[in-house]
Amino acid sequence: EEQLVQSGGGLVQPGGSLRLSCVASGFTLSSHWISWVRQAPGKGLEWVAHINEDGLRKGYVDSVRGRFTISRDTGKNSLSLQLSSLNSADAGVYYCARTALYDKGLDLWGQGTLVSVSS
Amino acid sequence: DIQMTQSPSSVSASVGDRVTITCRASQDIDKWLAWYQQKPGKVPQLLISAASSLQSGVPSRFSGSRSGTHFTLTISNLQPEDFATYYCQQAHWAPDTFGQGTKVEIK
Repeated sequence: EEQLVQSGGGLVQPGGSLRLSCVASGFTLSSHWISWVRQAPGKGLEWVAHINEDGLRKGYVDSVRGRFTISRDTGKNSLSLQLSSLNSADAGVYYCARTALYDKGLDLWGQGTLVSVSS
Repeated sequence: DIQMTQSPSSVSASVGDRVTITCRASQDIDKWLAWYQQKPGKVPQLLISAASSLQSGVPSRFSGSRSGTHFTLTISNLQPEDFATYYCQQAHWAPDTFGQGTKVEIK
């Protein structure tokens, strides 16, 4: 069975850092673009970042560029999202999601991990 | 950045009704528009990709269409399990923006 299993997240103080991980099973993660999508409490979905198959192309939403870093660990069939300089607007559930090979839809999602930012 | 204008923000409907949700892109995104369903506390699920391609396992009462930069999700014969929030997402130009969401509620 194909799965994305997330870890990391938790409570962090404003200005703090956190690392989210996303591990694939049942398929090769490096064959796909992967995105991170977040959802603030009671709000809609927001695309945050993506990375291409070889890790050389990355994109970020303006609000996180320079603070978040997406990267791959090919040897571990995983990727991560490093979050820094966190503020209250960054709080929410973060999902990693796989882009389908031919039609750009996000066809497989991780279970989500909660990031809380509070002093 | 491309803006995705999704409407309505909510709709009340009854079982058996036909529901239509629209998304308009601020620029040409070709056919690269996906629709997702999300139920409370659950992970979003891909319903339709490339404007009109139904994902495996998704009931055929869901359909998608495109006219230029105007995209439509139609749910025919609404079922109890379809009450959820629906999002569109463009994947042609980064950032891959989502629409604001449409909550389909029971009338």
